Amino acid sequence: KNQVEQSPQSLIILEGKNCTLQCNYTVSPFSNLRWYKQDTGRGPVSLTIMTFSENTKSNGRYTATLDADTKQSSLHITASQLSDSASYICVVSDAGGSYIPTFGRGTSLIVHP
Amino acid sequence: SAVISQKPSRDICQRGTSLTIQCQVDSQVTMMFWYRQQPGQSLTLIATANQGSEATYESGFVIDKFPISRPNLTFSTLTVSNMSPEDSSIYLCSVDPPGTVANVLTFGAGSRLTVL
Repeated sequence: KNQVEQSPQSLIILEGKNCTLQCNYTVSPFSNLRWYKQDTGRGPVSLTIMTFSENTKSNGRYTATLDADTKQSSLHITASQLSDSASYICVVSDAGGSYIPTFGRGTSLIVHP
Repeated sequence: SAVISQKPSRDICQRGTSLTIQCQVDSQVTMMFWYRQQPGQSLTLIATANQGSEATYESGFVIDKFPISRPNLTFSTLTVSNMSPEDSSIYLCSVDPPGTVANVLTFGAGSRLTVL
């Protein structure tokens, strides 16, 4: 069964600090992995998408890494801002013909001033 | 990317009633997806709606409880029927916009339902 596990479940940091969120998956065969940001009361918005051959991808202060061998990904947020407070969801799709992605439960990030 | 308008954004409903959620996309898309996000949980796919055919439901979801319409390539509705407090969730419409990498879903803002 395809699964996506995220850690930590929640995280509180001070504004300006960096943080790293983790995602482990068992989806196989692997197609792509995406990180979404979901603000409270809003739908998820895509931050990055990574395919098998990509190790690192950046989007402003967000940098995602992917290790397809260990089936792990991380999302690093640099110089956090109050607006980074949100839920970050890791989503993995398989290459087996299914268009149905597997969602993690998300990491809830709170940035305090 | 596609822009999705979803309404209502939130509602408080009485047990036993039904509520229809609307999803409008600003471009034509083949498939539209309806998700449920229960508190503290990940998103769960309810069904896939294709224009001109019956929706395809995932395990645990049935048409009588969640009837879906897809009258054209830009619009869909999801009805939550005979609601109970367990149906209190955020319901999200999403699409896989053409011209993007496959499976990069775009989501609506969601409809937060509270059933009393």
